[in-house]
Amino acid sequence: AQSVSQHNHHVILSEAASLELGCNYSYGGTVNLFWYVQYPGQHLQLLLKYFSGDPLVKGIKGFEAEFIKSKFSFNLRKPSVQWSDTAEYFCAATAPNGGSQGNLIFGKGTKLSVKP
Amino acid sequence: DAGVIQSPRHEVTEMGQEVTLRCKPISGHNSLFWYRQTMMRGLELLIYFNNNVPIDDSGMPEDRFSAKMPNASFSTLKIQPSEPRDSAVYFCASSLGGLAGTDTQYFGPGTRLTVL
Repeated sequence: AQSVSQHNHHVILSEAASLELGCNYSYGGTVNLFWYVQYPGQHLQLLLKYFSGDPLVKGIKGFEAEFIKSKFSFNLRKPSVQWSDTAEYFCAATAPNGGSQGNLIFGKGTKLSVKP
Repeated sequence: DAGVIQSPRHEVTEMGQEVTLRCKPISGHNSLFWYRQTMMRGLELLIYFNNNVPIDDSGMPEDRFSAKMPNASFSTLKIQPSEPRDSAVYFCASSLGGLAGTDTQYFGPGTRLTVL
């Protein structure tokens, strides 16, 4: 079955540490890829997305992600995390049927806790 | 724009009761999505609409769940009868619904449903 996998359930870092959250999708073909963030008590909001062009995508709040087609991966990175980055992060990909209406398959999420 | 609006924000009900969740998408958006978020299963797509028409309801767990979109500015998700295992946060999201599948989904604040 088509799926999006996030390798880490919970990541704990100290402020200023570097962050990399893994994401893999299980199917080939053209996919559009997204990272969403859910801050405590808030709704999901878009961090960044990739659908073509430069595979290194820059998003809000200093986040970036790199699409590596050969590895079916779209890992999220940030060179130096802050306490305010504490949140849950979701990777998502358009469904393999092309997702013409934009329906997404979400990973299970990675909780990031940043210690001050 | 006020963003995606959901009501109620919290709902507590007893097993066997009917529950209706409501969503108002962002004006001008053509696609609407209903998701369920639980600790065990993460974020699951239940159903999505494009131009008020249900496109894929394969994520709806069983016949107790139904969703409607009578017009472009309103959708409901109904559970009848409700069961304790339906307890979750239900999110509504909307997007422009363009054919490329690159559109950002904008999420509402969610409805936290507790079935006793």
